[in-house]
Amino acid sequence: EAGVTQFPSHSVIEKGQTVTLRCDPISGHDNLYWYRRVMGKEIKFLLHFVKESKQDESGMPNNRFLAERTGGTYSTLKVQPAELEDSGVYFCASSQDTLRDSSSGYTFGSGTRLTVV
Amino acid sequence: QKEVEQDPGPLSVPEGAIVSLNCTYSNSAFQYFMWYRQYSRKGPELLMYTYSSGNKEDGRFTAQVDKSSKYISLFIRDSQPSDSATYLCATHTYNFNKFYFGSGTKLNVKP
Repeated sequence: EAGVTQFPSHSVIEKGQTVTLRCDPISGHDNLYWYRRVMGKEIKFLLHFVKESKQDESGMPNNRFLAERTGGTYSTLKVQPAELEDSGVYFCASSQDTLRDSSSGYTFGSGTRLTVV
Repeated sequence: QKEVEQDPGPLSVPEGAIVSLNCTYSNSAFQYFMWYRQYSRKGPELLMYTYSSGNKEDGRFTAQVDKSSKYISLFIRDSQPSDSATYLCATHTYNFNKFYFGSGTKLNVKP
């Protein structure tokens, strides 16, 4: 079974530019999550998709961030325009089950390291 | 106040030592507790997942939860150099869909 795939693995952009991160979840996983870790801080929740619908986007920092999951398969996270404080590692995760039905937690991708200069 | 507090370390131990990693949390609504291991440039990998207070053992790893004191621990017996990684505690409420992570403890096991 292929894992959660994220690309690019690393992106360096200038302040004010646009960057789009992509996540391919495990096939058949309806639930897709985005998390972010900024330097020196803990990994924090950004949002949760169930299929193509946003279930919870309470962690999105501001309207410069736009997440989509057209067709309920892969997801993109666009940052426009990027600011210096957006630098960090963006993780995507997927799961098949919700609530407490599963004891398997999420499966995480390796992350995209975003550097805004 | 952070939802989950974790000592960032780093923690350096000799091979074969018993390692104790700990977190505290503030919200009594947290009911499920996890430990993830993260190698450099990789995503977090689930090690242990527990619900109730008490101990859960899996090979060399034991997860311990004390809900009365809001304290969770991970013990690693007979630590190996391959255990060198960052260990993250995480928790969630009945709602599975949003995890709260500690900042991670970096562990180095010296041969």
